[in-house]
Amino acid sequence: QSVLTQPPSVSAAPGQRVTISCSGSSSNIGTYYVSWYQQFPGTAPKLLIHENDKRPAGIPDRFSGSKSGTSATLGITGLQTGDEADYYCGTWDGSLRSVVFGGGSKLTVL
Amino acid sequence: EVQLVESGGGLVQPGGSLRLSCAASGFTFSSYVMSWVRQAPGKGLEWVSGLGGSGENIYYGDSVRGRFTISRDNSKNTLYLHMSSLGAEDTALYYCAKIASSGHYEVADYWGQGTLVIVSS
Repeated sequence: QSVLTQPPSVSAAPGQRVTISCSGSSSNIGTYYVSWYQQFPGTAPKLLIHENDKRPAGIPDRFSGSKSGTSATLGITGLQTGDEADYYCGTWDGSLRSVVFGGGSKLTVL
Repeated sequence: EVQLVESGGGLVQPGGSLRLSCAASGFTFSSYVMSWVRQAPGKGLEWVSGLGGSGENIYYGDSVRGRFTISRDNSKNTLYLHMSSLGAEDTALYYCAKIASSGHYEVADYWGQGTLVIVSS
């Protein structure tokens, strides 16, 4: 059981927009920044978003992040088949004094 | 170019110990927070531990606290994870990760390819 809650799967058609939610509590998302990671099968995770809405160099602006209260959202526009991957949210938890991740969301581009 | 190369994984019996290493290059190792993150087969990411550039500010995930010890040797640009009292639940691919310059432990901007630990008799 993950501290952060994500939908196990999301799907949308090519070219469409999809959002992935990440729900937490006041001890984690409600207080600290959220990061998002993309992971393809058999490869290491890749940082997509940090500090809620900042993209590292090289990440296309099709990917966006937002946070409100104790929830965060990853948005992906102009979906491509190459976006099919697992997506994870992560943040610091002040009560646990550790990083916590969501259980991951598998994106399918239909 | 940042490179993180993990080693030390393998098959270990329940109750046993193992030490993982992560050789870092391409950046000033001593200036960055480093972390270990693991992923059990077919499962999600689980944060294991992290520590500051000088070995300060050490934190552990609940499931490993008291059994695992993170350390670093800045003279060798190497991060370590000493694991003891291993159980089947520790079977996973263990990733070494560099934390971004912000120092926020949840922002891992570079990852190694992982080293596999299998706990089985």
